[in-house]
Amino acid sequence: AQRVTQPEKLLSVFKGAPVELKCNYSYSGSPELFWYVQYSRQRLQLLLRHISRESIKGFTADLNKGETSFHLKKPFAQEEDSAMYYCALSTNSGYSTLTFGKGTMLLVSP
Amino acid sequence: EAGVTQFPSHSVIEKGQTVTLRCDPISGHDNLYWYRRVMGKEIKFLLHFVKESKQDESGMPNNRFLAERTGGTYSTLKVQPAELEDSGVYFCASSYSGRAAGELFFGEGSRLTVL
Repeated sequence: AQRVTQPEKLLSVFKGAPVELKCNYSYSGSPELFWYVQYSRQRLQLLLRHISRESIKGFTADLNKGETSFHLKKPFAQEEDSAMYYCALSTNSGYSTLTFGKGTMLLVSP
Repeated sequence: EAGVTQFPSHSVIEKGQTVTLRCDPISGHDNLYWYRRVMGKEIKFLLHFVKESKQDESGMPNNRFLAERTGGTYSTLKVQPAELEDSGVYFCASSYSGRAAGELFFGEGSRLTVL
């Protein structure tokens, strides 16, 4: 069965510092990887997906199949980035039965 | 567009009682998903509807959980009888059929507390 691991429960950085939220997965096939974010008092929402290879709000994530990782990075953190971040994996093309990691809380201090 | 709405936002019941959670997906979304987050654990898939049909219910924990989607519109998730371990946040999400996999629109969740 597939699994998503986010080793950090909490990541605390200062504004302007680089950020890397780690995500590792285990799956024997070709997965699709996503990052979802939940800001305070808001609903869970899609941040980015690996197939798009885009930068959203300054965040990027590269799928590394050799290391089975999909780490989320931002060169300069902002206070408004403070949120809960979930890495998720899908094995079914066309459907969205996602396997989530436990999430990492990112706190960006001024 | 109006988002996915869930009701109630919070329910507190006693062990053995019944609770019904409701989800109204975004209009036109054929796919409807239920997920659950138990405290300290990851968000887990429960089941997936395509219109009114259950596409995948492999995540349903046991037969105390019953999900329906009447006419392919709103969905209900009933827990009967509720147990302590059912406490958690139940999320509903929806998507278009043609939407790329993984792009789900989530509701705010229904928090269930079983005492």
